Amino acid sequence: DAGITQSPRYKITETGRQVTLMCHQTWSHSYMFWYRQDLGHGLRLIYYSAAADITDKGEVPDGYVVSRSKTENFPLTLESATRSQTSVYFCASSVPSGGAAEQFFGPGTRLTVL
Amino acid sequence: AQSVTQPDIHITVSEGASLELRCNYSYGATPYLFWYVQSPGQGLQLLLKYFSGDTLVQGIKGFEAEFKRSQSSFNLRKPSVHWSDAAEYFCAVGARRDDKIIFGKGTRLHILP
Repeated sequence: DAGITQSPRYKITETGRQVTLMCHQTWSHSYMFWYRQDLGHGLRLIYYSAAADITDKGEVPDGYVVSRSKTENFPLTLESATRSQTSVYFCASSVPSGGAAEQFFGPGTRLTVL
Repeated sequence: AQSVTQPDIHITVSEGASLELRCNYSYGATPYLFWYVQSPGQGLQLLLKYFSGDTLVQGIKGFEAEFKRSQSSFNLRKPSVHWSDAAEYFCAVGARRDDKIIFGKGTRLHILP
């Protein structure tokens, strides 16, 4: 029962580089989410997806791109990384319930942009 | 728009003492409310949730929370904390017909031996 996994767990990159963070879940949950966690800001939603090929912006989408060709995968790409994108990134998934539902979180990816 | 406020950034309690973490929300209708816990270096784990019904909700690890509509609050309580409860706690609010939830900024709990 792997649940929800994220890779890599740690990543150091340089300003201007493209970086992709991976998220994989084994539950076949329809909904998937990407958050960033920063000191003093809590968790902020970057993008979410209701199903394969359906994605939508969250609170802080600028500088990020997502795709969802398969239900189980939801990669997050920083097209040109900036220092302000240094953060801990969490992926989560949930089952549709006609409203807000419990979200299951991955272990996170700590990204440092130099 | 929904919002969540956790007034306390840090809380320190002695092991064995009682705990109450505050959470206030802003939402026009009946909210869906959650408490999550994050241990150091880990993802978030659901402690409990309130959707409807009994306003006193029991969760895992001996935690409970009470929904008070008149005060727009959903405070988390535990009668006796253990050193392993040291973590960051997030309150979150959601809504019917919206699968997103909004998180508070978190309260970090420190336990004194």
